[in-house]
Amino acid sequence: DTEVTQTPKHLVMGMTNKKSLKCEQHMGHRAMYWYKQKAKKPPELMFVYSYEKLSINESVPSRFSPECPNSSLLNLHLHALQPEDSALYLCASSQSHSLDTQYFGPGTRLTVL
Amino acid sequence: AQRVTQPEKLLSVFKGAPVELKCNYSYSGSPELFWYVQYSRQRLQLLLRHISRESIKGFTADLNKGETSFHLKKPFAQEEDSAMYYCALKTDTGFQKLVFGTGTRLLVSP
Repeated sequence: DTEVTQTPKHLVMGMTNKKSLKCEQHMGHRAMYWYKQKAKKPPELMFVYSYEKLSINESVPSRFSPECPNSSLLNLHLHALQPEDSALYLCASSQSHSLDTQYFGPGTRLTVL
Repeated sequence: AQRVTQPEKLLSVFKGAPVELKCNYSYSGSPELFWYVQYSRQRLQLLLRHISRESIKGFTADLNKGETSFHLKKPFAQEEDSAMYYCALKTDTGFQKLVFGTGTRLLVSP
């Protein structure tokens, strides 16, 4: 399996809801990433996990809570989001957190009402 | 601070014409530069990285440290090259991260 998969593809949630985004890879990569991409903008890094430990948090609001339960899985827990959080959320992975190519998932399109 | 600049939001060319997508960067260390491409309804994928010095799908890019540029070139554009192209820089110190430019949409018309 040489792909990064993300579920769900689309998610609509209210501001009081709690939901989670899921990312999975079976390439043996030890670094995983969450990016946020607004329409017609480049991806912006949110979090980096290296060997299942959080190594970068780009000052992301606490209503976004990442979790890396094992080396293949990365979750992003969402709670009390705002409409401006509506975006495409991309997951990526790389062999390690160094000068390695990042492989991106297709993204989850999130709409917050 | 690291920054990647792609001055053109849209580049429109005819099939068979040469293409150059510009990318300039600002970084005090030794960066690694990438070009990522996003075709319609497809995921973001790596096109080129400067350390590989490869030609992928006819595209090449040379790192010019003097001009701090990493322009993407192709001598003869094809319709299937139409996509969004992002130049990205990876820092070489501390916790390394990928910084993207704002992207250039390439439109190749028949």
